[in-house]
Amino acid sequence: GNSVTQMEGPVTLSEEAFLTINCTYTATGYPSLFWYVQYPGEGLQLLLKATKADDKGSNKGFEATYRKETTSFHLEKGSVQVSDSAVYFCALTLQAGTALIFGKGTTLSVSS
Amino acid sequence: GAVVSQHPSRVICKSGTSVKIECRSLDFQATTMFWYRQFPKQSLMLMATSNEGSKATYEQGVEKDKFLINHASLTLSTLTVTSAHPEDSSFYICSAMAGQGSSTSGNTIYFGEGSWLTVV
Repeated sequence: GNSVTQMEGPVTLSEEAFLTINCTYTATGYPSLFWYVQYPGEGLQLLLKATKADDKGSNKGFEATYRKETTSFHLEKGSVQVSDSAVYFCALTLQAGTALIFGKGTTLSVSS
Repeated sequence: GAVVSQHPSRVICKSGTSVKIECRSLDFQATTMFWYRQFPKQSLMLMATSNEGSKATYEQGVEKDKFLINHASLTLSTLTVTSAHPEDSSFYICSAMAGQGSSTSGNTIYFGEGSWLTVV
């Protein structure tokens, strides 16, 4: 079946550290890939997305590249801030407008 | 930008009662809405997909008679938890897809802020 696997958290970093959150997927077709962020007590916000192989999504200093050969979409940021503390979800959809399939989420905690 | 609003954001109800959660698309017409449930520190589990004017499609294991979903208009879907029990306490999130031809990005999915349900 179709699924998303994320690295388990929590991830604890100091401010300005480099962040990587791994995400791999299994899909029967050619999915679109997403990263969503959820701040405490809030809903999900789209962080970035990529719709085809080798696409790079980027937003707010975060980046992720759609790697078809490794079925991965790892999230990276060169210098994290305390305000980046949140839960990050990797997700896929196989067809535009269909329901997203989410990974379990990775909690990021950044301390000053 | 596109906004999806959920109401109420928090609700506490007594065991055995029913509670309704609304999901509205504020500046676009949503042909399809999705309802998710999120347990503490876990991922979002899709409960059902609702299309305006038709019956919702429920995921396996979701009781359709307990979680009633109505998508009566292109801007409103409701989730009613009937005869709620403490194990129904959870964070419920809706998402809405803008239809083709919408001023927002067609087929883009937007999420509501979520609703915390506590059954006591």
